[in-house]
Amino acid sequence: KAGVTQTPRYLIKTRGQQVTLSCSPISGHRSVSWYQQTPGQGLQFLFEYFSETQRNKGNFPGRFSGRQFSNSRSEMNVSTLELGDSALYLCASSLATGFNGELFFGEGSRLTVL
Amino acid sequence: GNSVTQMEGPVTLSEEAFLTINCTYTATGYPSLFWYVQYPGEGLQLLLKATKADDKGSNKGFEATYRKETTSFHLEKGSVQVSDSAVYFCALRAPRGANSKLTFGKGITLSVRP
Repeated sequence: KAGVTQTPRYLIKTRGQQVTLSCSPISGHRSVSWYQQTPGQGLQFLFEYFSETQRNKGNFPGRFSGRQFSNSRSEMNVSTLELGDSALYLCASSLATGFNGELFFGEGSRLTVL
Repeated sequence: GNSVTQMEGPVTLSEEAFLTINCTYTATGYPSLFWYVQYPGEGLQLLLKATKADDKGSNKGFEATYRKETTSFHLEKGSVQVSDSAVYFCALRAPRGANSKLTFGKGITLSVRP
């Protein structure tokens, strides 16, 4: 079956702009998590959604937000972009949330902020 | 809080060499432990996991044993191949809480030369 799909794969924005990234989970998966990957900080948890509810949020400023739709697709938004927001944004889905939910990752959306 | 520490990299080995990548963790209770691999230009793939002390995860010739007494989950492979060249991440998931958040180590780049 199809894996986790993220769009767009690459994008370039300028400081001050906003960006929306999309994630379609594996069919039947109801939990979607987002991670930011940078060379300096590594992989950092942004947030997790399950059944349209945010279950957990990482230590990121309020410029980073997300949501999940009734079909489990998720979007994340970053407003007022800064140079430091340049990163690979990874989405992961799982059947359920919690301790035993195995995560499946997409290929990521690579954001460059100029 | 929870944390994962991986040995410093990068690591370069010749084909058929023995591989060990060290990983230690700090967490309350008994977290689940994971190794993920990231090939160039791709997202993360689950390599193996262990959910309780003394469990051994294994996949594609890689092994790791959950050692509660040393809070470690070292990754080993007896004979590496060029195709094993990738970035390897150790991660944990806390045993409590209704979410799927993973805490990752910094990752280590493995290069295998023919």
